[in-house]
Amino acid sequence: KQEVTQIPAALSVPEGENLVLNCSFTDSAIYNLQWFRQDPGKGLTSLLLIQSSQREQTSGRLNASLDKSSGRSTLYIAASQPGDSATYLCAVEDSGYALNFGKGTSLLVTP
Amino acid sequence: GAVVSQHPSWVICKSGTSVKIECRSLDFQATTMFWYRQFPKQSLMLMATSNEGSKATYEQGVEKDKFLINHASLTLSTLTVTSAHPEDSSFYICSALKTSREQFFGPGTRLTVL
Repeated sequence: KQEVTQIPAALSVPEGENLVLNCSFTDSAIYNLQWFRQDPGKGLTSLLLIQSSQREQTSGRLNASLDKSSGRSTLYIAASQPGDSATYLCAVEDSGYALNFGKGTSLLVTP
Repeated sequence: GAVVSQHPSWVICKSGTSVKIECRSLDFQATTMFWYRQFPKQSLMLMATSNEGSKATYEQGVEKDKFLINHASLTLSTLTVTSAHPEDSSFYICSALKTSREQFFGPGTRLTVL
């Protein structure tokens, strides 16, 4: 069964810093990998989706990379802002369409 | 866009009662929808896969007689928690699958069983 791990579990940074969130998965036979944002008590907002054949995706200040062979993905957030404070979830899709989620990284960006 | 709604957004019920949660894809048709559960400080765990016109597929450890899923149309799936107990209190989130294989999530339903 696919296991998804996210490190760190929590992170606090001052505004303006660049930061990296890490995600690892045990089974490299994935279809795609997604990064989501979840605000407290809310649903999920999709940030980036990387197909298994791709190496990275970019959207604004966000960049996600995928190294399928090593089972790793990173989410890079440039010039962090207080509005970026949320929990970031990494999810891996296997052949069955369902998503396997990590426990998330709780990010706090202080003014 | 791809919008998925859930209703209700929160519900409080007494132990032993049944609660129905609706998941709707508002601007696309979804033959497949998923139901996830999220306990505090935990990740989302897949409960079941809902396919339009057929029986749902449940994950190991999820009681199909307790969590009834109906996917009667291409835009609506319902999850009914029967005889709810306090341990069923959780955040339930659905997602709908587009033909592109991308999942779009609803805003979630907070269930509290007293």
